[in-house]
Amino acid sequence: AQTVTQSQPEMSVQEAETVTLSCTYDTSESDYYLFWYKQPPSRQMILVIRQEAYKQQNATENRFSVNFQKAAKSFSLKISDSQLGDAAMYFCAYRSINNAGNMLTFGGGTRLMVKP
Amino acid sequence: DAGVIQSPRHEVTEMGQEVTLRCKPISGHNSLFWYRQTMMRGLELLIYFNNNVPIDDSGMPEDRFSAKMPNASFSTLKIQPSEPRDSAVYFCASSLYPQETQYFGPGTRLLVL
Repeated sequence: AQTVTQSQPEMSVQEAETVTLSCTYDTSESDYYLFWYKQPPSRQMILVIRQEAYKQQNATENRFSVNFQKAAKSFSLKISDSQLGDAAMYFCAYRSINNAGNMLTFGGGTRLMVKP
Repeated sequence: DAGVIQSPRHEVTEMGQEVTLRCKPISGHNSLFWYRQTMMRGLELLIYFNNNVPIDDSGMPEDRFSAKMPNASFSTLKIQPSEPRDSAVYFCASSLYPQETQYFGPGTRLLVL
């Protein structure tokens, strides 16, 4: 079974600065998807970014980018120019690419605080 | 397009009562997932459907939980009888295909007294 680990329960960043959230995972599969979801106080789960394991290029969405290291099974999220609205819980998630494993396996989450 | 719709948003009930949570997936999506979020266990998959058929219900905690998807635009998660340990936020998510990105509803916060 796959596992996802987020080793930082809490992180804080100054507004306009850059912060990196860590995520590692364990799998024996060669193809899979990785995701970062954001959960603000409203509890809504919002997709931030997605990475396909077969793509070597790191995914980027505006101020959000990932550092995907397949051999190290590491998938960190970098948030540039942090804004107050970025304050939330961030969850890293893994999903198998085959039909039998379409569930998302989530890490324990990292609470990000943004200081004005 | 509307996102995933869940109702009710909040539910408070007493132990032993039946609880029904509802979900309307994004139109055109053919995969639907029910997740539960608790402080102790984090986010965990309960069950998922593909083309209205339950594919994997191994995450359903026990027989008190049941889920149905009578058509492509509606699913229910029922707890009968409810217990205080069922208190959690229940999320519904849908995707275009099983392999595609899952989009989450706003969740239902359930409190069982």
